[in-house]
Amino acid sequence: QKEVEQNSGPLSVPEGAIASLNCTYSDRGSQSFFWYRQYSGKSPELIMFIYSNGDKEDGRFTAQLNKASQYVSLLIRDSQPSDSATYLCAVNWDNAGNMLTFGGGTRLMVKP
Amino acid sequence: DAGITQSPRHKVTETGTPVTLRCHQTENHRYMYWYRQDPGHGLRLIHYSYGVKDTDKGEVSDGYSVSRSKTEDFLLTLESATSSQTSVYFCAISELVDTQYFGPGTRLTVL
Repeated sequence: QKEVEQNSGPLSVPEGAIASLNCTYSDRGSQSFFWYRQYSGKSPELIMFIYSNGDKEDGRFTAQLNKASQYVSLLIRDSQPSDSATYLCAVNWDNAGNMLTFGGGTRLMVKP
Repeated sequence: DAGITQSPRHKVTETGTPVTLRCHQTENHRYMYWYRQDPGHGLRLIHYSYGVKDTDKGEVSDGYSVSRSKTEDFLLTLESATSSQTSVYFCAISELVDTQYFGPGTRLTVL
């Protein structure tokens, strides 16, 4: 069974620090990887996606992918209290059907 | 929410009653999905659609059926609701390779 694993947290970081969120997945054939942010009581919103090994940066966010080790991470620089949310990792195993498998999410708390 | 609405937003019903949730999109996206989200389980795919009248099962499809008669609407039906179906239900849409956008969610309570 294809699985996506995340530490549920909470991960607590002080304001201004770098938050590092990690995700591992079980299938080497995975094609693409997504990070969603979900505030309490709200729907998931897409932050970033990454397809290739290496880093992808978008503003304060950096996604890192290592297919050999089967992990993907999200770094949030200069963390703000408004970044406090649950971060969901999602993996697309193949492009047919556009289906995603989600991890359970990591709750991030940024303390002022 | 990328032109996605869900109705109703909240519903309380009793065990054994039928329930239909509606997802409506204005983006003309090809793919539509229904997920449920429960504490400790994350988001799990119930059913998805890859076109009008084209649907398939997801990870947790037992007890649910879907229909898609128009591009913009995707209905999720619980034929006979059970307490284990108490959850938050999210609809999502996708057009590009696999990027999905989520609706606001429906909170369903089955007593």
